[in-house]
Amino acid sequence: EAQVTQNPRYLITVTGKKLTVTCSQNMNHEYMSWYRQDPGLGLRQIYYSMNVEVTDKGDVPEGYKVSRKEKRNFPLILESPSPNQTSLYFCASTNSLCGGTYEQYFGPGTRLTVT
Amino acid sequence: QKEVEQNSGPLSVPEGAIASLNCTYSDRGSQSFFWYRQYSGKSPELIMSIYSNGDKEDGRFTAQLNKASQYVSLLIRDSQPSDSATYLCASKESNTGKLIFGQGTTLQVKP
Repeated sequence: EAQVTQNPRYLITVTGKKLTVTCSQNMNHEYMSWYRQDPGLGLRQIYYSMNVEVTDKGDVPEGYKVSRKEKRNFPLILESPSPNQTSLYFCASTNSLCGGTYEQYFGPGTRLTVT
Repeated sequence: QKEVEQNSGPLSVPEGAIASLNCTYSDRGSQSFFWYRQYSGKSPELIMSIYSNGDKEDGRFTAQLNKASQYVSLLIRDSQPSDSATYLCASKESNTGKLIFGQGTTLQVKP
């Protein structure tokens, strides 16, 4: 089954304790993204990756890091989480960039609470 | 700043009616547009994509695109209570893979 998986689904942590949210896709997609979703602010892109070892900042990258060492995995790293990073996080992967159809698939989400 | 604008709603329609959801976008170069459905606490699910002017139908859903007016709409015929969700409109930024999302319209279908 084609899917994007994220782990953990729920996480409560304390300020300053480094954490990683994993994301993996089994569709051989090149383009992957991380979003956060907050009430009243909608979906905002944090980082994206157009291929292995190619990453770039989205709209709200401060406080986050990513890496893309393998095509299927795109982990999101919070080196020193703060309460303003409490949010619902989605990983997404996309099947095409140039021409043809373009379909972005979302993972199930990770609800992060930083106290 | 490229934007997608939607009325946040809620839009309330009776069961069996047609629900009409609208959005406008600012990026004139954008060629691809999408509607996602999102249930509370769940991830967005792609329900329609549209790439050319006019209408595109898929079951009870019809997407409409007017590039001259920079306007996209989604019609849901025979609305069901299970259609109650937030509907996100998105445009694909020209020359990149980035999707720009609107804030979503909450649809309530009342039995």
